[in-house]
Amino acid sequence: DVVMTQTPLSLSVTPGQPASISCKSSQSLLHSSGTTYLYWYLQRPGQSPQLLIYEVSNRFSGVPDRFSGSGSGTDFTLRISRVEAEDVGIYYCMQTIQLPLTFGGGTKVEIK
Amino acid sequence: QVQLQESGPGLVKPSETLFLTCAVSGDSIRNDTYYWGWIRQSPGKGLQWIGSVYYRGNTYYNPSLKSRVTILIDTSRTQFSLRLASVTAADTAVYFCARGVSVWGQGTLVTVSS
Repeated sequence: DVVMTQTPLSLSVTPGQPASISCKSSQSLLHSSGTTYLYWYLQRPGQSPQLLIYEVSNRFSGVPDRFSGSGSGTDFTLRISRVEAEDVGIYYCMQTIQLPLTFGGGTKVEIK
Repeated sequence: QVQLQESGPGLVKPSETLFLTCAVSGDSIRNDTYYWGWIRQSPGKGLQWIGSVYYRGNTYYNPSLKSRVTILIDTSRTQFSLRLASVTAADTAVYFCARGVSVWGQGTLVTVSS
């Protein structure tokens, strides 16, 4: 299985400040087609995960532009340029290049 | 707008079969662009992909669960289902259904207990 490792486990951020989450995969997520199959989700308290970023850097419909994704191969980052109160929750990365699909362990973001 | 809704018993006895359905609205379950899948979330194991099915029939299961899992599409009811046999306490989790990577249901808690 592809192991997805997220750091840090948790973040406490002042509103308006940036935040950054790392996700590393145990093997490359780059497909021969040129697509890299890495996704980011936010799970707000009591809700199901919602897609933020697909294929490394593409914001899903309705996702604010303060969210951005970057990276390549095995090393990826989710950045929030200015954290807002509604951004609290647990962030997960996920890979779909190889079955079984696997998720990172999650990063909990809290507001100071 | 696509919406998914899980349903099924919240309590299942050990060794019995867990059966959940996912009702799909706002999209055709015959849409082969996406897979229809199940994911679960338990405190001990985080998010775990269970398996996925495409309308045309290809089905993929997590090897760790493959011997116990069946995912089927019911086109007449615009829903798909999850069967997990021989459950134990380790199968206690919130179960989510999903359309591809982008749309998830709200989840349903299933507790395995006698």
